[in-house]
Amino acid sequence: GAVVSQHPSRVICKSGTSVKIECRSLDFQATTMFWYRQFPKKSLMLMATSNEGSKATYEQGVEKDKFLINHASLTLSTLTVTSAHPEDSSFYICSARDQQRHTDTQYFGPGTRLTVL
Amino acid sequence: GESVGLHLPTLSVQEGDNSIINCAYSNSASDYFIWYKQESGKGPQFIIDIRSNMDKRQGQRVTVLLNKTVKHLSLQIAATQPGDSAVYFCAESYSGNTPLVFGKGTRLSVIA
Repeated sequence: GAVVSQHPSRVICKSGTSVKIECRSLDFQATTMFWYRQFPKKSLMLMATSNEGSKATYEQGVEKDKFLINHASLTLSTLTVTSAHPEDSSFYICSARDQQRHTDTQYFGPGTRLTVL
Repeated sequence: GESVGLHLPTLSVQEGDNSIINCAYSNSASDYFIWYKQESGKGPQFIIDIRSNMDKRQGQRVTVLLNKTVKHLSLQIAATQPGDSAVYFCAESYSGNTPLVFGKGTRLSVIA
């Protein structure tokens, strides 16, 4: 199956700093990637849809100036949590669709655990 | 048995028994459905998918059933093993590039 990686897998930062999370599709191209947030024992909540070469589409209630998304290539999307606060601590997961296979299946990365002190 | 409380619903089954995990989806226009397995601290792992023009699809030890009339999806796992213990999510989407919408999830606990 298609492989998606995320880096870092775990990050601890001080309040007020910014954190960048990378999402890469390793063996396929992805025009569209998705960013999710997951709280403990909860389901995945879609934050935004990342489109290669254009602006991301954010879900209602997600601050685009706080969660900056850049999709500079067909294999890389980045999520930057700016001026992080303890309430931003969460599990962030990205996913991507394999455009060449013309499938609706989304393949997920392993997730990034963010802890803001 | 199955229980629903403040946390994720939990289904407990004996090793070797069959498991059935249920999901009610919300959008009658959805035409693509996926089941994912998520182990603690990891990203969701694709299990099986089905399109709305089918009502059943089988994989290795897993079967997905779709009932569009009542907007219900189920995942059947045959001969459940300890390694099947995880949280299972159903997800739905409308064809095209629309994002997946996830259900609340069910925790499967396999008793050895």
